[in-house]
Amino acid sequence: QSVLTQPPSASGTPGQRVSISCSGSISNIGSNAVSWYQQLPGTAPKLLIYANDQRPSGVPDRFSGSKSGTSASLAISGLQSEDEADYYCAAWDDSLNAYVFGTGTKVTVL
Amino acid sequence: QVQLVQSGAEVKNPGASVKVSCKASGYTFTRYDVNWVRQATGQGLEWMGWMNPNSGNFGYAQKFQGRVTLTRDTSTNTAYMDLSSLRSEDTAVYYCTRVATGNIHYSYMDVWGKGTTVTVSS
Repeated sequence: QSVLTQPPSASGTPGQRVSISCSGSISNIGSNAVSWYQQLPGTAPKLLIYANDQRPSGVPDRFSGSKSGTSASLAISGLQSEDEADYYCAAWDDSLNAYVFGTGTKVTVL
Repeated sequence: QVQLVQSGAEVKNPGASVKVSCKASGYTFTRYDVNWVRQATGQGLEWMGWMNPNSGNFGYAQKFQGRVTLTRDTSTNTAYMDLSSLRSEDTAVYYCTRVATGNIHYSYMDVWGKGTTVTVSS
């Protein structure tokens, strides 16, 4: 089962800001960098944020990441219809000696 | 361009094995680790293990130890995931990914294959 906890869903109207939390522990988020992945319906996941708050080239600056202690957050500002997708956080876990993913959050644009 | 091309869908009987391939192109295959991740229908992402294509070293999630084998062929820039003793719960899409850094504490997956659907059914 997933070690990192995310809310199952989040929603907003176009233009709004949506935030997704990712809660872990000292052995994962507390000790290692967090990455975020976006999965559009029927497609493979895509890297959205790495090293807690870094965006790969090509990712709009509407997406931002942050980390504090054993939790991380992904924010989407200026929500757009194409942002409707599943979002996953992830990090290495030193205790499990494994890469762990969050439970996933489905973002709906109303 | 950098890409990972995976083999096609498989249908297997319970108890059988499956071998999924992942061919890398557009970068130096031996410079980046490969992770394998799977996703059952309607479920979240699950990490299975990693492999270093240069050394052949690997690590598996505890859940899959004894059933999964990660290998590579550096002459064809291809990584392989072999899963044995298949059961219905192994029905999922299997992804290979490129791991972007050599430091495990900062690692992330920057390139993903399109996925291979494995169906286990009698």
